[in-house]
Order: sequence, then structure tokens, then C-alpha cells
Amino acid sequence: DTGVSQDPRHKITKRGQNVTFRCDPISEHNRLYWYRQTLGQGPEFLTYFQNEAQLEKSRLLSDRFSAERPKGSFSTLEIQRTEQGDSAMYLCASRRLSMRGALTDTQYFGPGTRLTVL
Amino acid sequence: SQQGEEDPQALSIQEGENATMNCSYKTSINNLQWYRQNSGRGLVHLILIRSNEREKHSGRLRVTLDTSKKSSSLLITASRAADTASYFCATGTLGNQFYFGTGTSLTVIP
Repeated sequence: DTGVSQDPRHKITKRGQNVTFRCDPISEHNRLYWYRQTLGQGPEFLTYFQNEAQLEKSRLLSDRFSAERPKGSFSTLEIQRTEQGDSAMYLCASRRLSMRGALTDTQYFGPGTRLTVL
Repeated sequence: SQQGEEDPQALSIQEGENATMNCSYKTSINNLQWYRQNSGRGLVHLILIRSNEREKHSGRLRVTLDTSKKSSSLLITASRAADTASYFCATGTLGNQFYFGTGTSLTVIP
């Protein structure tokens, strides 16, 4: 257990439905990342937050995807009008600032939410 | 597209043998990290090597980095059945993203 939690762990939905995932990072971690991982592939970057600010979004993040981190703590990732191609593992990771104010290099990953779109 | 590519894609060895997997990447990096992922689970950080380092050890793990060849290798010595997992390299740049490779699936046969 890395200290990063994700909920739910599994989600099965029908095409066209909206889904929302939650990530709770390690409490003192300023950075929060979302990744998507499909079968047999490595994680692909989707977006990241520095505290409550969303600083970067991948081109993979279509307009059906939205992420928030309203209080700089937990984050949500919503997918609207799900498609079968959205079926994947959605991973959250967090990272902290060191004592000297620099980012540490290590990301700590949650267990992921596996989405299946029927 | 993903930054790194691991080789081989799959590796099967007997318990007690050493396992070596390689990672190649495309652009300049600040650091390179190796992660392990058990089936259907999240990723666990194993070891990090910075661009100015050539070799690093952690327990049964040995990582090398050759920035001139843009490649890294992960050696797991005296493998155990519990080492069965997928292993990913991830490259970190001065920016904020990490780029993961496609992974090596390691099976250690008891």
C-alpha cells in the first residue's frame, strides 16, 4: 500500500453513461497525476495538478474527460458519454515537494480503477 | 507516443536465475525509473537512476544507464517466484511528465 487510494476499484458501465473516479493522494503531496493504461501497455499520461491547479493536459484527454482537484487534496476524473475505447485502467499518482522546495522524483501510484464499457 | 521501449516483451526464467530487461528511450532525460506492476494492480517504484549516474544497486536490483546509447538495463539477481510481474521503465525530463515504456512481463517458475 503506497498511501494513494482510488475509488472505485472496478467500474462497469454501459456506453453513453457518465462515470466519475476519485483519487486520494498522500496528504502532503502537492502533485497529482492521472494516467490511463490499456492491456499490455504502459501508463499514458493524461493530466496533472499542482495543488488545485490543473497545469497540463495530454492530447489523449478529449473534451469528454474532465478532472478536478478542488481543494488541492483529492481529485476526480469524470468521463462523459463513455465509449468502448475508454475501457482501461485509470491510475492516479502523487508526488511531493522536498524540504528544499524541489519536486522529488518518485511518484506513488494508487491501485487504479478498472473501467469496462459495455 | 510512449518514450521508452522495454526488451524483451516477455521473459520466463527458473527461480534462482538472474533476469535482465532493457529499456531504450528517445530523448534527453533527467532520470530513469523502474517500476513493477503485479497483474491488475498499481505500479510500485523500484529504483531511480539519474542521468549523471551509470549504475545503481538496491538489494537484488542493479540498474545501469548509458545516456550515449539512450538505454538502461534492470538486473534482478537470484529471482523468486514473487518477482513475477510486469516491469516498466519511466523516463523523467526537466518537465513534469513521466513517460512509460511498454513493459517486460517476467515469469519466474518455482
